[in-house]
Order: sequence, then structure tokens, then C-alpha cells
Amino acid sequence: LAKTTQPISMDSYEGQEVNITCSHNNIATNDYITWYQQFPSQGPRFIIQGYKTKVTNEVASLFIPADRKSSTLSLPRVSLSDTAVYYCLVGVKTGANNLFFGTGTRLTVIP
Amino acid sequence: DTAVSQTPKYLVTQMGNDKSIKCEQNLGHDTMYWYKQDSKKFLKIMFSYNNKELIINETVPNRFSPKSPDKAHLNLHINSLELGDSAVYFCASSPGYLHSSTDTQYFGPGTRLTVL
Repeated sequence: LAKTTQPISMDSYEGQEVNITCSHNNIATNDYITWYQQFPSQGPRFIIQGYKTKVTNEVASLFIPADRKSSTLSLPRVSLSDTAVYYCLVGVKTGANNLFFGTGTRLTVIP
Repeated sequence: DTAVSQTPKYLVTQMGNDKSIKCEQNLGHDTMYWYKQDSKKFLKIMFSYNNKELIINETVPNRFSPKSPDKAHLNLHINSLELGDSAVYFCASSPGYLHSSTDTQYFGPGTRLTVL
């Protein structure tokens, strides 16, 4: 079963760009990579999803290299309100259609 | 006009009791899920239902029984509660008919269960 690996935590100052990398060595051919954001006492919220190369929306960018064994979530110019846990999710079809959230990366934005 | 709602938000109960958590989504989604988030913040899927049918049943004790009266509701009933059941339980839904990794999930606010 594919698993994801992320840094446990990261700190950043306000206004900086933050890059969070997720490793998913066993990603399957048809799997997409999805990132979620979770604030304390709330459920996760979808941020971005991609399959290969680069995806950008109003919130973030997602960079996926050609081998797709990793992905990088990029948050431009973070603010204090971006302090949250960020989860990398890779869907794996194993017959049971299991979903595995990564361990999550706790991002703390410092004033 | 909450998309995915859960009740109750907090649940404190004694060991051995039976309790239920309710979940409703008004998004018209076909698939609903229950997740458990433990004290270490690991988010683990427990069940997935599609149009009232069980699709995913992860390795959870059979004390946990999901019930889906219709595709907008997925309730979680827990029998004989144990200390280790203390966690935050999240309900979620997604549009897909058969779950795929492209589906975006919409999560409820969570129910914090404390077993004493």
C-alpha cells in the first residue's frame, strides 16, 4: 500500500513562500495527488489537486515531477491565517479503494 | 446552509455505553465517509458508503456500525464504548459514484468523543 511522507512541522515568517514536500514512492498510474488544509477544531478542507507537472489556483501551486514520486505544495506569501496542518493525500486503488492521509505537516507562520 | 453537518459536536460518555453520531450532507453527493482522528492527529478512514451501500470497511472493531438511511445521511453507532475510542470523528462526502482519487471530499466540523 502506498504511503505518504511529509515533514512533521515547518515554521515560516509572514510574507514568505512556503514549500511543503510529500513523498509517495508507490503512487499508482491512475492516482491523483490532493492536498488538504486543516485548522484546529475543524475538518480538513481541499486546497489543490494534480496529476503531473504544475497546477495553480488562487490559494496554492502544486509541483509534480515527471516520476510523480513526490509533490510540492507551494504557498505564496503566507500569512498568520495559513497556520494549519497540511495533508498530502494519494488515492490508492487496492480493491478496497483505501485512502490514506499523510502524517500531515504542521505549518506555523510567525509574525 | 452548512454543507456537511454533524451532531453532536461534543460527546462525553462513560465506558460501556452505546452512542451515535449523526451526519448529514446537503450537497447531493453520492459517497459519504467516516474518519477517526486520534490524539496524534492521524486521520484514518473508517467507512465509506455510496448510495447507501458500504464500499469501504477498514479494520475497525465491529462495535462500530455505520447506518445510511438515505444517501444524504450516514450515522455512526458505537457499542460498548472503550477508552481508546476517544478521538475526533469526521464525516465527509464526495460527489463520485465510485470513489476515485480525483474526488474532492468535503468534511464536517467533527465530533469530539471523550470516553471516561
